[in-house]
Amino acid sequence: NAGVTQTPKFQVLKTGQSMTLQCAQDMNHEYMSWYRQDPGMGLRLIHYSVGAGITDQGEVPNGYNVSRSTTEDFPLRLLSAAPSQTSVYFCASSKTSGRASDTQYFGPGTRLTVL
Amino acid sequence: DAKTTQPPSMDCAEGRAANLPCNHSTISGNEYVYWYRQIHSQGPQYIIHGLKNNETNEMASLIITEDRKSSTLILPHATLRDTAVYYCIVRGTHGNKLVFGAGTILRVKS
Repeated sequence: NAGVTQTPKFQVLKTGQSMTLQCAQDMNHEYMSWYRQDPGMGLRLIHYSVGAGITDQGEVPNGYNVSRSTTEDFPLRLLSAAPSQTSVYFCASSKTSGRASDTQYFGPGTRLTVL
Repeated sequence: DAKTTQPPSMDCAEGRAANLPCNHSTISGNEYVYWYRQIHSQGPQYIIHGLKNNETNEMASLIITEDRKSSTLILPHATLRDTAVYYCIVRGTHGNKLVFGAGTILRVKS
């Protein structure tokens, strides 16, 4: 298993540009989520999905869109990048969405800079 | 989910056991204690989790007090590669959101 993979590792955008951060998992996990981590801070939940076709907002969803057309993939879209979105983005997945005993596994992250 | 309190930083000598404490005095009966670590802005790495009983795996041991209000993560023989931020997280059953606090910066020194 490759686990949770994310591409690209690094990205530099100009204000107003759009892009998609890719996340994939090969563990047949129902639950996938996106977090962002700003310098010196903990992770904050952006969006999450409890299965294909189902997504919901986390605590900081503004400026981001998601969709989940397959179990494996959960892309995060920035429609019009802003400097405030400069951050490190982590994708995570777990087997189910409801059991506290299900471990979440994280990808390696995408470091995004918006100029 | 219950809040956790961890010391901001700790030092440990290489080869010695690292004992990282966590207080979670408001934990409820169905909430699990999870430990993750993050090495230099890499993705958070799962270490161990438990509900009531002590747990051990190839990475660490988790000791949970009988009243479940606190726990200790033990790295039995710390190495320089264990230098990281360690997060103690209490997680309930109403969803999968993990709440990451400030964590404990563990510095392993030779």
